[in-house]
Amino acid sequence: DTGVSQDPRHKITKRGQNVTFRCDPISEHNRLYWYRQTLGQGPEFLTYFQNEAQLEKSRLLSDRFSAERPKGSFSTLEIQRTEQGDSAMYLCASSFRSWQGKGEQYFGPGTRLTVT
Amino acid sequence: AQSVSQHNHHVILSEAASLELGCNYSYGGTVNLFWYVQYPGQHLQLLLKYFSGDPLVKGIKGFEAEFIKSKFSFNLRKPSVQWSDTAEYFCAVKRTGGGNKLTFGTGTQLKVEL
Repeated sequence: DTGVSQDPRHKITKRGQNVTFRCDPISEHNRLYWYRQTLGQGPEFLTYFQNEAQLEKSRLLSDRFSAERPKGSFSTLEIQRTEQGDSAMYLCASSFRSWQGKGEQYFGPGTRLTVT
Repeated sequence: AQSVSQHNHHVILSEAASLELGCNYSYGGTVNLFWYVQYPGQHLQLLLKYFSGDPLVKGIKGFEAEFIKSKFSFNLRKPSVQWSDTAEYFCAVKRTGGGNKLTFGTGTQLKVEL
């Protein structure tokens, strides 16, 4: 078990550019979550997938954000036309479904996005 | 909407001191409760969890937490902290039967001095 991995770990981009992040969950987990964390705050939920289906999206996820999990394995989070307010740590987590275990979420190292 | 409050934002303790970090949540229904820890330069790790049953739960590294339903609280405790416990601690809540998102508190930065 290699844990949840995320790529890249750091991304610096100019305002207005598009960025894409990747998350590889723990292989046995069928749920995958995206969170965003800004300085001095706890992680905030963005969206989650069960297999390839996106089942819940936060109001934080504006139209410029899109997430996919095409084959129920890895996921990508794309931000279009980045703004300085998008600067944050983007965290990915994965879990079993609740009935398969207790559903606790395991987090990856995050992708730190800086928009200049 | 549910919320989680961690009242201690920064805590400084000497080694061997006892620790208690407060966590209160606002949701009135059935919840699952978690404490996560983030050591410097590392990712969030699950410290302990409560789903049901005994309200006193034990986690890794000698940590424990007590769920008091009447107070909507899930405080984290450790009888004797070590320098290696220096980290940021996050309380999180998940509503059962209604979504799978975790709602986190703002975190408590713990510094343990030698």
